[in-house]
Amino acid sequence: DAGVTQSPTHLIKTRGQQVTLRCSPISGHKSVSWYQQVLGQGPQFIFQYYEKEERGRGNFPDRFSARQFPNYSSELNVNALLLGDSALYLCASSLGPSGTREETQYFGPGTRLLVL
Amino acid sequence: GQQLNQSPQSMFIQEGEDVSMNCTSSSIFNTWLWYKQDPGEGPVLLIALYKAGELTSNGRLTAQFGITRKDSFLNISASIPSDVGIYFCAGPPFGNNDMRFGAGTRLTVKP
Repeated sequence: DAGVTQSPTHLIKTRGQQVTLRCSPISGHKSVSWYQQVLGQGPQFIFQYYEKEERGRGNFPDRFSARQFPNYSSELNVNALLLGDSALYLCASSLGPSGTREETQYFGPGTRLLVL
Repeated sequence: GQQLNQSPQSMFIQEGEDVSMNCTSSSIFNTWLWYKQDPGEGPVLLIALYKAGELTSNGRLTAQFGITRKDSFLNISASIPSDVGIYFCAGPPFGNNDMRFGAGTRLTVKP
C-alpha cells in the first residue's frame, strides 16, 4: 500500500509569492496534519483536518491556510512568503484525529521550500 | 508548559553499545510516540505507546510510557550503523488536538 505522498518534493519561491503544497493520505485515513520543520528542530504543528473540518491550529500567522477535500487529500497554502518560511513542510495522516485511539500519525517525505 | 524536553541532544556511541534517550513534559500525555528521521526524509514511526506504564518493543528498540504520564524513554540495544539518525518523541498533550515534538536526539554510531 502507498504511504503518505506529498508534492512537489522541492520548491523555490521568492518573497511575497504564494505557494500551495499537496498531500495524499494513506488509503483509509481520514485525518491530515501539516507541520513545518526548520533545520535542526523538531516538526512544529500547523493544522489538523479531520473529515474536511479543521480540528486544530498551531501558532502560525493567517498567511497559512489549509483545506481537506472529500477524498481526504489536503492542500497547505502560504501567502506573502517570507524568508523565514523556508523549511521542510511535512504532512502526516492518521485514521482519526488527535485525542482518539486512532491518532497515530504517519508522515510523508515532505516538501522542501526555499524562499529567496 | 506543554513543551517536550528531550535528552540528550546528541550521542556518539560505538557500534554494539546500548543507547537510552528520554522525553519529559510538565503536562500529561495520553499517547507517546517515538519517530526516527533520516536526512531529507519524513519521520518514520518506531513505537507508539497508549497506556501509562506500557512497555513495548520493536526489534532492538524498547520504549516505555512513564507511570506519571509525563515522560517516556526509548532504548536501543546493540546499536548498528543504520541506527544513525535523529530520534524524536512526540504526543498530543491531554486535552489538545495538536501533536508536540521534542527537539530530537541526534545519534551517531561509529563502526
